[in-house]
Amino acid sequence: EAEVAQSPRYKITEKSQAVAFWCDPISGHATLYWYRQILGQGPELLVQFQDESVVDDSQLPKDRFSAERLKGVDSTLKIQPAELGDSAMYLCASSLGPAGAFYEQYFGPGTRLTVT
Amino acid sequence: LAKTTQPISMDSYEGQEVNITCSHNNIATNDYITWYQQFPSQGPRFIIQGYKTKVTNEVASLFIPADRKSSTLSLPRVSLSDTAVYYCLVGGPNAGNNRKLIWGLGTSLAVNP
Repeated sequence: EAEVAQSPRYKITEKSQAVAFWCDPISGHATLYWYRQILGQGPELLVQFQDESVVDDSQLPKDRFSAERLKGVDSTLKIQPAELGDSAMYLCASSLGPAGAFYEQYFGPGTRLTVT
Repeated sequence: LAKTTQPISMDSYEGQEVNITCSHNNIATNDYITWYQQFPSQGPRFIIQGYKTKVTNEVASLFIPADRKSSTLSLPRVSLSDTAVYYCLVGGPNAGNNRKLIWGLGTSLAVNP
């Protein structure tokens, strides 16, 4: 069964350092999502791509976060500089269609980020 | 916003049927109701989706009344492995109907021996 791949699984970094996460969605899935999930809360959508275009990045802290999906396949989410409050699980998901509340989203295992 | 409201937590025992209700008063005509399950340190996983009346699969049933302002996820004969957080999402198949993709806090289900 095809899966969404993410790396690294765990990342510990010091505040003010740069950190990057990688996601490879299921082949053929045009829509890719990056979420941040703080312990005890639901996933918060950071950015949504349709192919290589950003559909929604309204919740992305653009002063420090950036995301790209250059060829419309895999994607990278970057934080620079990292802050203590960025400690969370970063989840990547993909779906066949653009409407995330309708089309089934397939999630990767996530990257657990700890900022010290 | 496609806002949903769920109980924060529920407790049950092995072998019981569990019903989790989600309120979505501002559901639109084209919206579907979708439920996800999330175990600790994993991403959410799709459970079931429906538009009206009743939908059943090998994992759960979804009951949606005629006014569609709420829905109930039913888990038959739960086991310890059903301990997880359950999320209700509402949205339609058109990108324009996506509105804001809001997951909320979900319902934390604890199944006890």
